[in-house]
Amino acid sequence: DAKTTQPPSMDCAEGRAANLPCNHSTISGNEYVYWYRQIHSQGPQYIIHGLKNNETNEMASLIITEDRKSSTLILPHATLRDTAVYYCIVRVGYNQGGKLIFGQGTELSVKP
Amino acid sequence: GAVVSQHPSRVICKSGTSVKIECRSLDFQATTMFWYRQFPKQSLMLMATSNEGSKATYEQGVEKDKFLINHASLTLSTLTVTSAHPEDSSFYICSARDAASGGNEQFFGPGTRLTVL
Repeated sequence: DAKTTQPPSMDCAEGRAANLPCNHSTISGNEYVYWYRQIHSQGPQYIIHGLKNNETNEMASLIITEDRKSSTLILPHATLRDTAVYYCIVRVGYNQGGKLIFGQGTELSVKP
Repeated sequence: GAVVSQHPSRVICKSGTSVKIECRSLDFQATTMFWYRQFPKQSLMLMATSNEGSKATYEQGVEKDKFLINHASLTLSTLTVTSAHPEDSSFYICSARDAASGGNEQFFGPGTRLTVL
C-alpha cells in the first residue's frame, strides 16, 4: 500500500473550516484514500473515503486532486469536539488484500 | 448501525497471567476482524487479521503464540495475551469489516487498556 505524508499538527479556530492535507504521491490506480480520526483514548472513527471523485457526507468533504497524488479533508465548521488525530490512509480494496495501516496522522486542535 | 464493542474496557493483571479480550460486532456480521495495538503517543499498529473459521494472519514481528486469536463466529473474535509482561501493557483495539455492505468500511471498537504489573 502507498505511504502517506501528513503535517504532525494543525490548529483551527472553532466555527472555521479545517482543511487537513495529505500527500500520497505513490498511490496506484486501484488504491482508495481513507480518512479516520481518533479522539484521545478511543477507537478510530471512520470519516470518509474516495477513489478519484470528490466525496461529501454529513461529517466532512474529501477533495482528491486530479492526479490523485494528494487530498484534503475538509471539516466545514470545526467544533471543539473535532479535536483529534486525523489519519489519512491509502489502501487497495479488501478483495485485493487491502489493510488499514496507520501512519502518524495530524493532531488537530480546535481552539475557542 | 455498525457498532463494535470490546470487553473489558480496561484490565489490570499480574505478570505471567493470561488475559482475554473480546471483540463483538453488535449489528452486523463480520467475516474479517482486525487487531491493533497502540502505545502511548504512538499510532495504531496492526497485529493480525482474523477471518471467521480460519487461522489468523499475523503481521511481521507479532508472536502468534503470545497473542492467540480466535474468530469462532461471525460476531465474535477474541485476543488472548498469554503470559503477559509489563511490556505488553498497551491499548488494544479491534475492528471489523461489514462484509454485507460491500466491505469497504471498517469499524473500530472503543479499545481495551491493558496494564500488566
